[in-house]
Amino acid sequence: QIVLTQPPSSSATPGEPARLTCTLPSDINVGAYNIYWYQQKPGSPPKFLLYYFSDSDKGQGSGVPSRFSGSKDASANSGILLISEVQSEDEADYYCVIWPTDTVIFGGGTKLAVL
Amino acid sequence: QVQLVQSGAEVKKPGASVKVSCKASGYTFSKYEIHWVRQASGQGLEWMGWVNPNSGKTAYAQGFQGRITLTTDASITTVYMELSSLRSDDTAVYYCARRDKGAWGSTWLDPWGQGTLVTVSS
Repeated sequence: QIVLTQPPSSSATPGEPARLTCTLPSDINVGAYNIYWYQQKPGSPPKFLLYYFSDSDKGQGSGVPSRFSGSKDASANSGILLISEVQSEDEADYYCVIWPTDTVIFGGGTKLAVL
Repeated sequence: QVQLVQSGAEVKKPGASVKVSCKASGYTFSKYEIHWVRQASGQGLEWMGWVNPNSGKTAYAQGFQGRITLTTDASITTVYMELSSLRSDDTAVYYCARRDKGAWGSTWLDPWGQGTLVTVSS
C-alpha cells in the first residue's frame, strides 16, 4: 500500500509564495513518476491543477493560473506544488496524486489557509 | 461542454446496497475511462476503481474488492457504481471523474461529477 505524505495544514500570506510538499515512500523514486495536483474548495469536487515530471514534461490544467507550478525535490523524494503569489481564493485543500500501473493513489491532502 | 452529472443523495441501512449513476455528455462516451472516488466528511479523497466503457474492463481498489461493481450503459452514456454490504463508514460523498490523457503518458481526472452523498444509517 503506497502512502503519499502531505502536511495536514499550511498557511500563506497574500502576495507571498506558498510551497506544498508530497513525500513518496522511500522505496518509490519520485523521479519515476508524474506528480499530479488537485485543488478542492468546500462543497465542490476536486479540480485538476497540473502535473509535473520534469521541466520538459509538465502540464497545466485548463484555465489554471500560471502562478501554480510544480517541481520535485529528489533529495527529499518529494513532489512540490508552488504558488508564486498566493491569493485569497487559493485557500483550499490540495491533493497530490500518482498513478502506479492502473491504480490511483491520493495523498492525504493539505489545507492551505491564506491569512 | 464535457459534463458528468450524478444521481441524487441516498440514505441506506447497514447491509444494504446503493447504486449511483453518472451521466456523461459532451464527448465520445466510449473513449474515456470513468473513475470513482469517495470522500468522507472532513476527510481526504479515496480512489475506488475505474471502468472502461468501450471494453467493460474494470479495476478496483483493494479495499473495495468484492463489494463494488462498476457498469456502463452506452445507450444512455451512463456509468453506475454499486456498493454492497454497506457500513456506517461508507457514509461519504461519491464522485465520478473522467480520465483524460496528455502527452508522454500523463493522465488525470477531469472533469468530475458534482458528487452524490450516500448516508448509511440504521
